[in-house]
This record gives sequence, structure tokens and C-alpha cells, in this order.
Amino acid sequence: AQKVTQAQTEISVVEKEDVTLDCVYETRDTTYYLFWYKQPPSGELVFLIRRNSFDEQNEISGRYSWNFQKSTSSFNFTITASQVVDSAVYFCALSEANTGTASKLTFGTGTRLQVTL
Amino acid sequence: KAGVTQTPRYLIKTRGQQVTLSCSPISGHRSVSWYQQTPGQGLQFLFEYFSETQRNKGNFPGRFSGRQFSNSRSEMNVSTLELGDSALYLCASSLTGKPNSPLHFGNGTRLTVT
Repeated sequence: AQKVTQAQTEISVVEKEDVTLDCVYETRDTTYYLFWYKQPPSGELVFLIRRNSFDEQNEISGRYSWNFQKSTSSFNFTITASQVVDSAVYFCALSEANTGTASKLTFGTGTRLQVTL
Repeated sequence: KAGVTQTPRYLIKTRGQQVTLSCSPISGHRSVSWYQQTPGQGLQFLFEYFSETQRNKGNFPGRFSGRQFSNSRSEMNVSTLELGDSALYLCASSLTGKPNSPLHFGNGTRLTVT
């Protein structure tokens, strides 16, 4: 069965520090998709990125970067020069191709990031 | 393009009552999913509707039901409310409904059962 582990429950950093959120996943499917979502206090989960299992290229988007390593089943998320607006709960999620649907996402338990001045 | 809209934002109900939550997906999205979020259990999948048909269902009792209309809007109903049903209920829509299609979530409905 699929599983997503986010071992860090809560992280506190001072603004401008870099921070990495860890995500480790388990799946038997050879084709799968990994996602990161951000949940600010307003409650809405905001989609950040999707990665396909067959594409191990790292990705950078502004201050955000993602490191996908199949060898260690990890999909880590780094925020460079963190800002107070980055404060939120971040979820890593897994979708398996054999489910045939986008809806059966397996979410991690989330990492609460607190960025202070 | 408008995002996923959920109404109401907050709801307070008494044990034994029933409740209906509403969700309007992003225009053009045919798949609508519902999730329950609680501090103890995290995010749990309730069910998914695609073209007015329930396509998938999570591990929830029959008190939880839903439907989807021809315009893709969806409603979720919980009957005989229990204290443990207190949660944030999130609706999400997907353009294609396929595994590689990101879900786009609404702000949620926070249900409190007293």
C-alpha cells in the first residue's frame, strides 16, 4: 500500500533562512506522481508542484526548489530565503497511476512551517 | 478563472442533525472530490464524482453521501451527525480526473458538531 511520511511535524525559522521539508514515500506502482501542497491559515490547499516518477529532474521556481530521488524514495522541498508569508502547513502527496483517478491522493501528515521576523 | 467555491464556510450543528455542503468546481473541471481533514486523522478521501457518477469512495460510513449535478457542482450530505464528524471538509476539482492531474481545492467548510 502507498504511504507518505513527513517526519518533521513543525519547523521554526527566522526570515531569510533556508529551510528543507522532507518527504519520503512508499509505493509498489512503477508509475506515480508526487505533489506538494501548501495550506495557509485560510484553509485552502494550494497546489505547488507535480513530479512524475519517470522524471527525476530537480525543479526550481523562484525561491522554491524540489529534489526528487527515486533511489531514496524522497521528494524534498526547499525554500530559499524564507519569508513570513511562507508560514503554512505543507503537504506532500502521492498519486498512483493504477488507481486511474486523481482523487485517491495519499497525503503525508504535513509539516507546519513558522517563519518569524 | 474562478477557483473552487465551497459554501458555507462555517457550520455549527447538533448531534443527530444532518448537513449539506456545497461545492462549485473550477469551470470545465468534471471531477470533484471530497476530503475530510481532522487533527487526528489528517486528510482522508471521502468520495469522487465524475460526470454525475460516483467513481470512487473512501472508507467512510454510509451516513456520508454525495452527488454531482449536470453542471459539475457537487453536494455532500452527512446524516445523523456525530461529534467525531467535526472537521474541515475540503472539496477539490480536477480537469481530467486522471492520476497526474493536480487537485485544486476550495477553502473548505468547517463543521462543528455539538
